[in-house]
Amino acid sequence: KAGVTQTPRYLIKTRGQQVTLSCSPISGHRSVSWYQQTPGQGLQFLFEYFSETQRNKGNFPGRFSGRQFSNSRSEMNVSTLELGDSALYLCASSFGRGGLNTEAFFGQGTRLTVV
Amino acid sequence: DQQVKQNSPSLSVQEGRISILNCDYTNSMFDYFLWYKKYPAEGPTFLISISSIKDKNEDGRFTVFLNKSAKHLSLHIVPSQPGDSAVYFCAASRYGGATNKLIFGTGTLLAVQP
Repeated sequence: KAGVTQTPRYLIKTRGQQVTLSCSPISGHRSVSWYQQTPGQGLQFLFEYFSETQRNKGNFPGRFSGRQFSNSRSEMNVSTLELGDSALYLCASSFGRGGLNTEAFFGQGTRLTVV
Repeated sequence: DQQVKQNSPSLSVQEGRISILNCDYTNSMFDYFLWYKKYPAEGPTFLISISSIKDKNEDGRFTVFLNKSAKHLSLHIVPSQPGDSAVYFCAASRYGGATNKLIFGTGTLLAVQP
């Protein structure tokens, strides 16, 4: 069974640009969450999608957005990049609704560097 | 407001001995807890979880203990092996909530010395 796949693995962007990251969850998993990891802040929750609907959002500015497609694949977008957006972005895949199986399985992440 | 805290940034243990990693939480609504292991530049790997209806869960060398009254959980690794050297994160969620959102601690770097 394939794991969570994130693309690309590494990305270098310039301030002011926008970026799109992709995540393919484990087959059969309908919940996809995104996290940002930085040295100072640890793993911070960005948002969660379930059946193409965002059902939870973390405390990040509106420049951070996401979506989920009918096949459960998800993308996150960051517009008007800032130096502080440099981080490891992690996608987590879960089976479904909270209360059924909340173990989340992570992809290897996308390392974004903003210069 | 850090709702999940790992107060020890690092821990060093001899191979074969027990490693004990601690985690405290403040939100009494949390009722499901997980431990993850992470190597640099990789995603976290799920290790073990526990729901609030239990006070202990074992899986091989890994045991998680939950003390709800103290809002404290710990991960025991016995015996510790050099390959266990990594950053360990505890995470909490609401098992019955309509979300899989996880709140993570800041991590503890475990170094197992051969």
